[in-house]
Amino acid sequence: DGGITQSPKYLFRKEGQNVTLSCEQNLNHDAMYWYRQDPGQGLRLIYYSQIVNDFQKGDIAEGYSVSREKKESFPLTVTSAQKNPTAFYLCAVRGGGENSPLHFGNGTRLTVT
Amino acid sequence: SQKIEQNSEALNIQEGKTATLTCNYTNYSPAYLQWYRQDPGRGPVFLLLIRENEKEKRKERLKVTFDTTLKQSLFHITASQPADSATYLCALDRASGYSTLTFGKGTMLLVSP
Repeated sequence: DGGITQSPKYLFRKEGQNVTLSCEQNLNHDAMYWYRQDPGQGLRLIYYSQIVNDFQKGDIAEGYSVSREKKESFPLTVTSAQKNPTAFYLCAVRGGGENSPLHFGNGTRLTVT
Repeated sequence: SQKIEQNSEALNIQEGKTATLTCNYTNYSPAYLQWYRQDPGRGPVFLLLIRENEKEKRKERLKVTFDTTLKQSLFHITASQPADSATYLCALDRASGYSTLTFGKGTMLLVSP
């Protein structure tokens, strides 16, 4: 993690409920990302934000929403419209110039039953 | 469409040997390639970045090569240790700004004593 906090570590919800995953950073980086990871799958980009009050859809944005009201925070809401929400969700930040590496949080494992 | 391939089968080697992991890509012209390590239940951790005009990059026991003609990167861990056991992900980037990273599915490395 190193300055990126995802909470909670484990989250359980009933089908049909919206749920919000938290991601906070104290690295003062501009860009923040949400990825989803499923067993045997690579990381898939959900949403990303390069600056406060602006964000872009990634490859699998359907059923998710985000906000970026503060530089430090980039919460992800998994809505009831997401067909298969059970997954491992990873938040990452990126700063320091062109093509600098991603710094990831330790993830939230969401289980929807 | 762009595709990144990493060997889905786990690589099993003995302690002290050199581990070599492969990352192949198609329909892509990345300016940079990055390697990450991921332990179970945790977020990926950045290891090395190599640029398209670099043939090889080293960091302690790690070595990465990048062959843009073959569209392939090789990741080597010399004198491997059981603590090196993890999943290793390659990620491709494009030049300029806060472009997004596309990740391979990763290869699990198991180093036995």
